[in-house]
Amino acid sequence: DIQMTQFPSSVSASVGDRVTITCRASQGISSRLAWYQHKTGKAPKLLIYGASSLQSGVPLRFSGSGSATDFTLTINNVQPEDSATYFCQQANSFPLTFGGGTNVEVK
Amino acid sequence: QLQLQESGPGLVKPSETLSLTCTVSGGFISTSDSFWGWLRQSPGKGLEWIANTYYSGSSYYNPSLRSRITVSVDTSRNQFSLILHSVTAADTAQYYCARCDTSHSEISWFDSWGQGILVTVSS
Repeated sequence: DIQMTQFPSSVSASVGDRVTITCRASQGISSRLAWYQHKTGKAPKLLIYGASSLQSGVPLRFSGSGSATDFTLTINNVQPEDSATYFCQQANSFPLTFGGGTNVEVK
Repeated sequence: QLQLQESGPGLVKPSETLSLTCTVSGGFISTSDSFWGWLRQSPGKGLEWIANTYYSGSSYYNPSLRSRITVSVDTSRNQFSLILHSVTAADTAQYYCARCDTSHSEISWFDSWGQGILVTVSS
């Protein structure tokens, strides 16, 4: 199985800050990576697919980059509504696997 | 807009069988560009993929759970289902159903999710 290591596990930011979350795959996965946002009690939301493609309807302050084993989710000008847990998922091979998640608190 | 909704019991006894159903609305389950997935998140842990199934019945499973899983699709009701046999406390989790966008690859990401259902395994 491909292991996905995500860090940091939590981050606290002020409104307007830039937040960066990293996901590392245990083996190369090309650009087969997605990022999700999850707010408690709600359905998870796809933000980024193919490592850097923005899902329709997602604000432009969200961006993704990386390939092979190292990937980054960046939230520019973070807003209060961005408080949530973010997690990555590899879609290179079965079984599909996820990072442990990053809790983002926006003060 | 596609919507998914999980349903099933919130409490299951150890060694018994867990059955969940996902109802899809706002679109058809029998589309060629979709697999339909089950995932779960146990307390304090990350997400775990359980299985993906196509409307024709073709499925992919997580090997760690394969021996205990049955997945099925009911196109007439626009639903798909998960059965997990011989549950233990370790199967206590929030269970999610989701649509996997397989327009380019059968191994893909999930672009629509249900809100999840909490299932507790306890006597």
